Amino acid sequence: AQSVTQLDSQVPVFEEAPVELRCNYSSSVSVYLFWYVQYPNQGLQLLLKYLSGSTLVKGINGFEAEFNKSQTSFHLRKPSVHISDTAEYFCAVSRVSGGYNKLIFGAGTRLAVHP
Amino acid sequence: KAGVTQTPRYLIKTRGQQVTLSCSPISGHRSVSWYQQTPGQGLQFLFEYFSETQRNKGNFPGRFSGRQFSNSRSEMNVSTLELGDSALYLCASSSTGGTENTGELFFGEGSRLTVL
Repeated sequence: AQSVTQLDSQVPVFEEAPVELRCNYSSSVSVYLFWYVQYPNQGLQLLLKYLSGSTLVKGINGFEAEFNKSQTSFHLRKPSVHISDTAEYFCAVSRVSGGYNKLIFGAGTRLAVHP
Repeated sequence: KAGVTQTPRYLIKTRGQQVTLSCSPISGHRSVSWYQQTPGQGLQFLFEYFSETQRNKGNFPGRFSGRQFSNSRSEMNVSTLELGDSALYLCASSSTGGTENTGELFFGEGSRLTVL
């Protein structure tokens, strides 16, 4: 079975400051890794994904994440946040084999960007 | 290209009733998944369909069911509603399927169900 732990439920940050949202996962099989964002009253939008290859992944809106297999982590970072980045962020995994597009999500991290 | 469309967006039901939610995937997507989102349990996988076949099911009681039609549109049904079924139900579609399941999903805006 797979599980995802997002280490911070809420992260407050000032505008233009850097931010890191932490994600650790547990799995006995190979997984794909994702970060999704949810704005108020909306569905989820894919920010970035790690399927294979380079461990540093760049996504939309200036976000990036680094896959660390030894530490089973996939932390999300942005060098300078904007007010519009205020949202809930979800880390998720999917089995490489037999995953059937099933995602296991973390509990989410609420990012609050203050002016 | 139109996104994933879910109807209705909001609905209110009473305990014991049943509800049917509809999802139209992105054109060409054959995989449709359903998730339940609640403040307490977070995002939980309900089931996934590919080419009208249910391939995977989450840990939900039999009151939760779904189906997929030949045009890839999907419906989910919840019978004998309970207060705890109040949630945002999200549908997601994917262009990958078969041996290419990557979990890269495109989500609709959800159907918010309130059970009184």
